[in-house]
Amino acid sequence: QKEVEQNSGPLSVPEGAIASLNCTYSDRVSQSFFWYRQYSGKSPELIMSIYSNGDKEDGRFTAQLNKASQYVSLLIRDSQPSDSATYLCAVNGRTGGFKTIFGAGTRLFVKA
Amino acid sequence: DADVTQTPRNRITKTGKRIMLECSQTKGHDRMYWYRQDPGLGLRLIYYSFDVKDINKGEISDGYSVSRQAQAKFSLSLESAIPNQTALYFCATSDHDPNSYNEQFFGPGTRLTVL
Repeated sequence: QKEVEQNSGPLSVPEGAIASLNCTYSDRVSQSFFWYRQYSGKSPELIMSIYSNGDKEDGRFTAQLNKASQYVSLLIRDSQPSDSATYLCAVNGRTGGFKTIFGAGTRLFVKA
Repeated sequence: DADVTQTPRNRITKTGKRIMLECSQTKGHDRMYWYRQDPGLGLRLIYYSFDVKDINKGEISDGYSVSRQAQAKFSLSLESAIPNQTALYFCATSDHDPNSYNEQFFGPGTRLTVL
């Protein structure tokens, strides 16, 4: 079992729709969770961090964390073509010296 | 100016050559990391350093070495490059502040091709 799992996609949504990206992780003692956006050929850019169960909203982005289910998600409201990118889920835990484990990413395509 | 810079941005080399990738940061962070990214495999940690005197192997350190010359500089070396080291390499930094929860910030990447 991979430590951080994501559906590779591509996930295709129409412009203006809500895009829902999901991630599961295996380390129960994980402490912090991140979503990075990566455009093709570019570096990952941190867009959301979440540490507590529940929802965290920042503009059009909402991160949701459920530690009991070991599940974290990212919702993108009013999706725009410029949101088309690969979204990486990352999990940081106290095992392994605070290393961050990255998922392989979900490709999102927003159709105009 | 970018907070995390990497040089070179692109490099083509031949099998057996020694290659050094350099990373510098102005964020004042103590922690620095080297990752490689391959299609479908995501980011994999090569080495990381939590301060100037601390160097740790990641999950794929074989064939690589690193040097932490200063708080702001962290170099990755391929002593004898081989074709399966062709990849996109990223340097990242994070703060030691526990309240930052290890948020990492990435450099622009180096695309390395080994022929």
